[in-house]
Amino acid sequence: GAGVSQSPSNKVTEKGKDVELRCDPISGHTALYWYRQSLGQGLEFLIYFQGNSAPDKSGLPSDRFSAERTGGSVSTLTIQRTQQEDSAVYLCASSLRGGGPYQETQYFGPGTRLLVL
Amino acid sequence: AQTVTQSQPEMSVQEAETVTLSCTYDTSESDYYLFWYKQPPSRQMILVIRQEAYKQQNATENRFSVNFQKAAKSFSLKISDSQLGDAAMYFCAYRSGGSNYQLIWGAGTKLIIKP
Repeated sequence: GAGVSQSPSNKVTEKGKDVELRCDPISGHTALYWYRQSLGQGLEFLIYFQGNSAPDKSGLPSDRFSAERTGGSVSTLTIQRTQQEDSAVYLCASSLRGGGPYQETQYFGPGTRLLVL
Repeated sequence: AQTVTQSQPEMSVQEAETVTLSCTYDTSESDYYLFWYKQPPSRQMILVIRQEAYKQQNATENRFSVNFQKAAKSFSLKISDSQLGDAAMYFCAYRSGGSNYQLIWGAGTKLIIKP
């Protein structure tokens, strides 16, 4: 079946503008994750959604960052009043969440490269 | 807090030869999972191999195998018969066996394959 998809692939914006990044998880996956990857770095956890439970927002770096997941499927990560330090690749992943390590494996989308000028 | 360390920023290997990428981690937990992911220039993270901490047997997936040393907290990845398509960034990741599903990531190792 289809994998995780993200849009846009690339986004260039001006400092101070708001941006929305979209993630479509694998069909049937109930868990969804957002990560940020700065140049030459590993991944930084941002937020985790699991079914209808309250999301784990512990990784969001500031209140300018927010995310929602509608209908337990598509998710949108919003960055308000973007800053140059927000420039990074934003990766989304989903997992089946049915118990057991194999079902917990996270499958990643191709990411959105955000550049804030 | 758990940490993952990849001490090799870059490795190179001749095509068809074998290379080993290092990963060490720090945890006080006994139940956890370890992963190696590959990130080619396309940016998409691709799962290479996974290991459950409670399993003593090292995981293998075709040309990829791990050397999991639980006492030493080491989780190295061996790639046999290296191919040009193996060129990528390789990331080691840790996940707790509990309810916390965050992946803790290493900084990555860039693997170069010489033809």
